[in-house]
Amino acid sequence: DSGVTQTPKHLITATGQRVTLRCSPRSGDLSVYWYQQSLDQGLQFLIQYYNGEERAKGNILERFSAQQFPDLHSELNLSSLELGDSALYFCASSVAFSQPETQYFGPGTRLLVL
Amino acid sequence: QKEVEQDPGPLSVPEGAIVSLNCTYSNSAFQYFMWYRQYSRKGPELLMYTYSSGNKEDGRFTAQVDKSSKYISLFIRDSQPSDSATYLCAMSVTGANNLFFGTGTRLTVIP
Repeated sequence: DSGVTQTPKHLITATGQRVTLRCSPRSGDLSVYWYQQSLDQGLQFLIQYYNGEERAKGNILERFSAQQFPDLHSELNLSSLELGDSALYFCASSVAFSQPETQYFGPGTRLLVL
Repeated sequence: QKEVEQDPGPLSVPEGAIVSLNCTYSNSAFQYFMWYRQYSRKGPELLMYTYSSGNKEDGRFTAQVDKSSKYISLFIRDSQPSDSATYLCAMSVTGANNLFFGTGTRLTVIP
């Protein structure tokens, strides 16, 4: 158990809908990262927050957005969902702002868009 | 061309074998090299990381980085059925926050 929690574990929804994925980092970690894992693309970095502020953006679509709250939990919002958004979404956390070598991953949320 | 290339396998070996997993990369700025293990329906678990070139050993696992060839390896000695998982390499540049992952190699160790 990495100490990172994600809810829900599974999500089934329809095209055009909006969903929110939630992540709680390990105790003491200030950085939260979101990744998408699909069969054809592998794990891809989406976005990072550090202590409530956005710090880095990767291949995140405009339909997706995220935020980190004062209690350090983070939410990833996916809107106008398409079939291709079906994937595993992982959250990772680390203590520092830039500590790529010690990111701890949560169990993921499996999203299926029908 | 992807920044990180990894043979997806699958790789099947008998118990006790030495396993070699490899990744190549194109970005010479990568300085951090990580190996993650991912069991089915679980999140990636950090196995080892190395900074810059060289070798690092941790029990049955050895990570090697050859920056001149842009090539990294993970060796697993005395492989066990519990090592059956997908192994992902990941890399990052100094000062950056995101990881670039390979697509993963699926390993099965047969008892």
